[in-house]
Amino acid sequence: DAGVIQSPRHEVTEMGQEVTLRCKPISGHDYLFWYRQTMMRGLELLIYFNNNVPIDDSGMPEDRFSAKMPNASFSTLKIQPSEPRDSAVYFCASNSGTGYEQYFGPGTRLTVT
Amino acid sequence: ELKVEQNPLFLSMQEGKNYTIYCNYSTTSDRLYWYRQDPGKSLESLFVLLSNGAVKQEGRLMASLDTKARLSTLHITAAVHDLSATYFCAGGQEASGSRLTFGEGTQLTVNP
Repeated sequence: DAGVIQSPRHEVTEMGQEVTLRCKPISGHDYLFWYRQTMMRGLELLIYFNNNVPIDDSGMPEDRFSAKMPNASFSTLKIQPSEPRDSAVYFCASNSGTGYEQYFGPGTRLTVT
Repeated sequence: ELKVEQNPLFLSMQEGKNYTIYCNYSTTSDRLYWYRQDPGKSLESLFVLLSNGAVKQEGRLMASLDTKARLSTLHITAAVHDLSATYFCAGGQEASGSRLTFGEGTQLTVNP
């Protein structure tokens, strides 16, 4: 299996622009998670889905952030408009409902100037 | 709300030495995870501990879980330079679905 796939791996954008991050979970996994990692706040969960349905979005910082999972093999995290404080590494992770291990993708390093 | 704390946050040790990283959590956690992260890389799963007294070992790393003390430890035996990385513990609660709450991470440097 290719593991969790994320794109792009690096994104540099200007403040005010829309940013879309993409994730393909491991085939057969029915849970998908979006995390953000910064030096100041560490690793924090933004939102997670079960069977394509958002279960907990309490970690989404504000209305500028939105996430969708239109099908079992694809999810997006969108930031509109982006701000410099959104600069971070965004990880997508997945696990199956019958297993406990959560597998992380390579991450997207976002820089907002 | 589950809170997870690690100590130490920074650890510099010599090759060949032993050391332990501690992970305390605030409320009942059904499972405890240890991950490794190399600079600029993703998180690699090391161990998942599911029950009180669970012990798992892989090479020079051994993880254990004491649910009564709400404590997990990651013991490093005869450290080698290749173990230099940041180690995270994370707790999960069945009542919160599959979400994980991470500790701050322990940055380990093993010096020759």
